[in-house]
Amino acid sequence: AQSVTQLGSHVSVSEGALVLLRCNYSSSVPPYLFWYVQYPNQGLQLLLKYTSAATLVKGINGFEAEFKKSETSFHLTKPSAHMSDAAEYFCAVIDEAGGTSYGKLTFGQGTILTVHP
Amino acid sequence: GAVVSQHPSRVICKSGTSVKIECRSLDFQATTMFWYRQFPKQSLMLMATSNEGSKATYEQGVEKDKFLINHASLTLSTLTVTSAHPEDSSFYICSARGSPLEQYFGPGTRLTVT
Repeated sequence: AQSVTQLGSHVSVSEGALVLLRCNYSSSVPPYLFWYVQYPNQGLQLLLKYTSAATLVKGINGFEAEFKKSETSFHLTKPSAHMSDAAEYFCAVIDEAGGTSYGKLTFGQGTILTVHP
Repeated sequence: GAVVSQHPSRVICKSGTSVKIECRSLDFQATTMFWYRQFPKQSLMLMATSNEGSKATYEQGVEKDKFLINHASLTLSTLTVTSAHPEDSSFYICSARGSPLEQYFGPGTRLTVT
């Protein structure tokens, strides 16, 4: 089964600093990967997705992620953190197998991003 | 576009009662919807896959008789927590599949069982 692992349950950065949230995947085939953001007591919002086109994916709010097959990674970055970026971020992989598993998302453990002024 | 709503956003019920949560796709049709559960400081765990016009598919360990799912139309899926207990208190999130690789999430429902 496909899975993702997020390294670091908490990341703290200063406003204006680089944001780097790590995600590694485990898949026997090229996966479809996603990053979502969740603000407190809210649902998930899609930041970006990798669907085997360009390896560098640009998303909303200035975020981007690079798919690196050699490292089985899909890390999320943002050059300059803003206070409004403080939230929880989830990496996810979608199951492309047939049958009842098709389209199921499997989430990583989540990373809480704190931004200090 | 691609908006998913959930109702109610918060609900408090007494132990032993049942509560129904609605998930609606407002501007698209969804043959498949997903129900997730999220405990505090934890990730989302898929409970079941809801398919319009057919029985839901439950993940291992999820009691289908306790968490009743109905997907009677292309825009509505409901989750009923029957005979709720305090351990069922959680944040329930639904999503609707708009395309094979796209899920749109609702805002979630906070259930508290007293």
